[in-house]
Amino acid sequence: KAGVTQTPRYLIKTRGQQVTLSCSPISGHRSVSWYQQTPGQGLQFLFEYFSETQRNKGNFPGRFSGRQFSNSRSEMNVSTLELGDSALYLCASSRVADNEQFFGPGTRLTVL
Amino acid sequence: AQTVTQSQPEMSVQEAETVTLSCTYDTSESDYYLFWYKQPPSRQMILVIRQEAYKQQNATENRFSVNFQKAAKSFSLKISDSQLGDAAMYFCAYLRGKLVFGKGTKLTVNP
Repeated sequence: KAGVTQTPRYLIKTRGQQVTLSCSPISGHRSVSWYQQTPGQGLQFLFEYFSETQRNKGNFPGRFSGRQFSNSRSEMNVSTLELGDSALYLCASSRVADNEQFFGPGTRLTVL
Repeated sequence: AQTVTQSQPEMSVQEAETVTLSCTYDTSESDYYLFWYKQPPSRQMILVIRQEAYKQQNATENRFSVNFQKAAKSFSLKISDSQLGDAAMYFCAYLRGKLVFGKGTKLTVNP
């Protein structure tokens, strides 16, 4: 069974731009969560989607948004990029909500 | 809010020896999951072991085992017969609604 895939793997943007990251969960998994990983703040929860509905949200500004499609694939969007948004963005999927999560390889975003 | 604390930023172990990584957490919930994840330099987060809070028996996965003390809110990971491939960042995580991670412990395995 294929694992969680994330595209793109690497991304370089400039301040003020917006970016969209994509995540395809493991087949049969209906829950997708997003995390931001930085050296300073560690791993922080962004949001979780289950059956196309946002089920939970972390403490991030409204510039961070996401959605989930009927095939469980998810996208995350960051608008008006700031230097501090440079991070590794990890996506994780689980069969149902509140269950063990399996992570993708991440998208390394660099904001210049 | 739930918090997870890993008090050992770095640990080292000799190949074939045993090492224990510490983790404590704070929650008022009685039903939750606990996990240990491994993140090697490749950055791929790998699930090592899971523990359901309602289970008293400690989880075991091959060379990896946990010591789960619910009353003390402690969840340590023991790695037996350490191998070079075990070198990585290890994160303890709490799950109820969302995953809350500790800051991680960097494990070095010396040949």
